[in-house]
Amino acid sequence: DVKVTQSSRYLVKRTGEKVFLECVQDMDHENMFWYRQDPGLGLRLIYFSYDVKMKEKGDIPEGYSVSREKKERFSLILESASTNQTSMYLCASRELLGIDTQYFGPGTRLTVL
Amino acid sequence: QKEVEQNSGPLSVPEGAIASLNCTYSDRGSQSFFWYRQYSGKSPELIMFIYSNGDKEDGRFTAQLNKASQYVSLLIRDSQPSDSATYLCAVNAGGTSYGKLTFGQGTILTVHP
Repeated sequence: DVKVTQSSRYLVKRTGEKVFLECVQDMDHENMFWYRQDPGLGLRLIYFSYDVKMKEKGDIPEGYSVSREKKERFSLILESASTNQTSMYLCASRELLGIDTQYFGPGTRLTVL
Repeated sequence: QKEVEQNSGPLSVPEGAIASLNCTYSDRGSQSFFWYRQYSGKSPELIMFIYSNGDKEDGRFTAQLNKASQYVSLLIRDSQPSDSATYLCAVNAGGTSYGKLTFGQGTILTVHP
């Protein structure tokens, strides 16, 4: 079974703080993704990575950066958190063998005060 | 802009009925199609995938794909209250897209006893 884990289920931060969200997969997947999900807006892609140290912007990268130093770990960084970044953040990993699709971690509900 | 459209609902069906969820997509070159189920407060979970025109059945679920009309649907037979969730349609354009998925906004399904 594909296993994707995220460092926190719930996180509360203050405006202006630097925030790190961690995602780890244990299946040696090359492609990993960060989304945010908001009511009425659906799932929106922030960034994705197709290999170690390789990344590409998604649809809404502003205010975010990412890091992928090791294949199994993909981090999302909020350089200076703002209240409009309060959201559910979902990490996904792409399974190529068998069904070519994405499997999601449990999500991190981030609140920025 | 590649788009995936779903009726947001809510769709309400009685227990034991057939629930029919629909999705249309704009990119005619799309290769593979997925249905994810998302319970409130949880992350999306893959329940069906389909690559070829026609029907694909898995237990109570049937996915239907019509590439000429650019629509994909999900039928849930003998609906149960535990099927109450948001259903996300996702489309993979294929090629060198690194497995990027475009998601619809989701349809909220409520199955009432």
